[in-house]
Amino acid sequence: DIQMTQSPSSLSASVGDRITITCRTSQTISSYLNWYQQKPGKAPKLLIYGASSLQSGVPSRFSGSGSGTDFTLTISSLQPEDFGTYYCQQSYSNLWTFGQGTKVEIK
Amino acid sequence: EVQLLESGGGLVQPGGSLRLSCAASGLTFSSHSMSWVRQAPGKGLEWVSAISGSGFTTYYADSVKGRFTVSRDNSRNTLFLQLNSLTAEDTATYYCAKSPGRGHDYGDRIDYWGQGTLVTVSS
Repeated sequence: DIQMTQSPSSLSASVGDRITITCRTSQTISSYLNWYQQKPGKAPKLLIYGASSLQSGVPSRFSGSGSGTDFTLTISSLQPEDFGTYYCQQSYSNLWTFGQGTKVEIK
Repeated sequence: EVQLLESGGGLVQPGGSLRLSCAASGLTFSSHSMSWVRQAPGKGLEWVSAISGSGFTTYYADSVKGRFTVSRDNSRNTLFLQLNSLTAEDTATYYCAKSPGRGHDYGDRIDYWGQGTLVTVSS
């Protein structure tokens, strides 16, 4: 299976900050990397697919980049509603895997 | 509007079985591959299984292969997950999830999720 490693595991930042979450895969996956946001008690929501494509309806402050084994999710200006846990997920293999999650808190 | 509604969760004893269902609406069901993703209490997301739009091709995580069976009834717009030989490690909220594509292919993703159904394995 393809292993996914996210960093950091958690972060606390202020409204307006630029934050970056990293996802590293155990083998190259081209650009087959998706990002999801999950708020407590809710189902996840797709933010970014194909490493850098913004899902319809997602604010433009969210962006993704990377290819191969190293990927990043960036929030350019953190907003109060951006709290939650963020997960990366690979779809290079038919056996999908998720990262362990990055919990984002607002200071 | 796409809606996915899971049912069938509950309390089951170790070694027992359960069948989860997911009723889909607002989409051409057979045109989309579907997945099950679970989340143990306080833990991260774990992909469990997927099935192509036709139902002919299925995929399983190693942790459930041989114990879980995914199926679909396209005439009833319903996805199923049969859970057998359950252990405490299977305790989780199980999400039904839709992909844009038909075949669970490269580059696919989950664009809609249900709200989940909780499975608790305990004596």
